Amino acid sequence: EIVMTQSPATLSVSPGERATLSCRASQSVSSNLAWYQQKPGQAPRLLIYGASTRATGIPARFSGSGSGTEFTLTISSLQSEDFAVYYCQQYNNWPITFGQGTRLEIK
Amino acid sequence: QITLKESGPTLVKPTQTLTLTCTFSGFSLSTSGVGVGWIRQPPGKALEWLALIYWDDDKRYSPSLKSRLTITKDTSKNQVVLTMTNMDPVDTATYYCAHRPAGTPAVLFDYWGQGTLVTVSS
Repeated sequence: EIVMTQSPATLSVSPGERATLSCRASQSVSSNLAWYQQKPGQAPRLLIYGASTRATGIPARFSGSGSGTEFTLTISSLQSEDFAVYYCQQYNNWPITFGQGTRLEIK
Repeated sequence: QITLKESGPTLVKPTQTLTLTCTFSGFSLSTSGVGVGWIRQPPGKALEWLALIYWDDDKRYSPSLKSRLTITKDTSKNQVVLTMTNMDPVDTATYYCAHRPAGTPAVLFDYWGQGTLVTVSS
């Protein structure tokens, strides 16, 4: 099973600033990586797939990069609605696995 | 518009079997490439994938839970059912069903249900 490790566990950033979230895979997942956003009491929302492709309706301030074992989600200018928990998910190998999440909080 | 909704008991006793139903609209599980998955999330913890069923009845399970899980579909009713046997308090979680889109080999989920909290307690 591929283990996905996200860092940091919690990230404190001020509105308007840039946030950079990391996700590392225990073995290569090529570009078969997705990012989800989850707000309290809500289901996850697909943001990014294929490591860098934004899902339908996702603002351009969200971008993803990386391949192999190292991935990054960048939010270029944080809006109030972006403070949430973010999960990465690999789908290169069965079983599909999620990271433990990064909580993005207001500084 | 794709929607999914989970239903089932909110409270089950240890050792009992949990049966959850996902009722969806806006897509057909007979369409090539489409799938429906189940993912759970213990309170305050991360997401855990459980199972996935494809349009062609191919099924995938989490290896750690495979012996306890069964996923089935009823295409005519637009429903997917997940059963989990021998429930334990550590299985307390919000259970989500989600849509796996066609047209891609990727196993990701672009539409999710609201989730249903299942508590395991005597």
